[in-house]
Amino acid sequence: DAGITQSPRHKVTETGTPVTLRCHQTENHRYMYWYRQDPGHGLRLIHYSYGVKDTDKGEVSDGYSVSRSKTEDFLLTLESATSSQTSVYFCAISPLRPGGGSYNEQFFGPGTRLTVL
Amino acid sequence: TQLLEQSPQFLSIQEGENLTVYCNSSSVFSSLQWYRQEPGEGPVLLVTVVTGGEVKKLKRLTFQFGDARKDSSLHITAAQPGDTGLYLCAGATGGSARQLTFGSGTQLTVLP
Repeated sequence: DAGITQSPRHKVTETGTPVTLRCHQTENHRYMYWYRQDPGHGLRLIHYSYGVKDTDKGEVSDGYSVSRSKTEDFLLTLESATSSQTSVYFCAISPLRPGGGSYNEQFFGPGTRLTVL
Repeated sequence: TQLLEQSPQFLSIQEGENLTVYCNSSSVFSSLQWYRQEPGEGPVLLVTVVTGGEVKKLKRLTFQFGDARKDSSLHITAAQPGDTGLYLCAGATGGSARQLTFGSGTQLTVLP
């Protein structure tokens, strides 16, 4: 158990409304990621963070913003939700191995199912 | 953009059969992971391979990393209904961002 929680787990919203999804970790890992998962597309990276206030874009970042004001929380915001953003959203962390190295292994939260009507 | 192609996309087999899932790319990866995902849950890491030609076994699952570190395979022996799930491969190209490129997945159904 990597100590990752996501909230809410399910949300239904209307087009044009803002939505914020929260990812919380308990183990102070530096690297955190937001993905979306859609049928036939696997997992696609939206944004990632490599420390407090340090974030960068992934391959599908349009329409999304993120913030990380504390090590344990990584927020994903849809400023004005659209139907194309209906998806399942996963947060992940990438811990360091003992000794400080990394094989880029990632551990995932349980996901948030978002429906935009 | 690195692409990882997984095949087959869907696989339905009877309990006791063997199967192999493939993950191919034209890119070289510093490491490659396999994940399994069950409905309503996040992916769970099964194994990481890092050396070209490496073979790892996890009970009835055998994972192999290609010699050139561009491809990988997952072989399941005597599949059981509990093996049912979405299998995802993911490759890392190194670098400070520690990003992964995911394949689109193989949905495995093992029928009793």
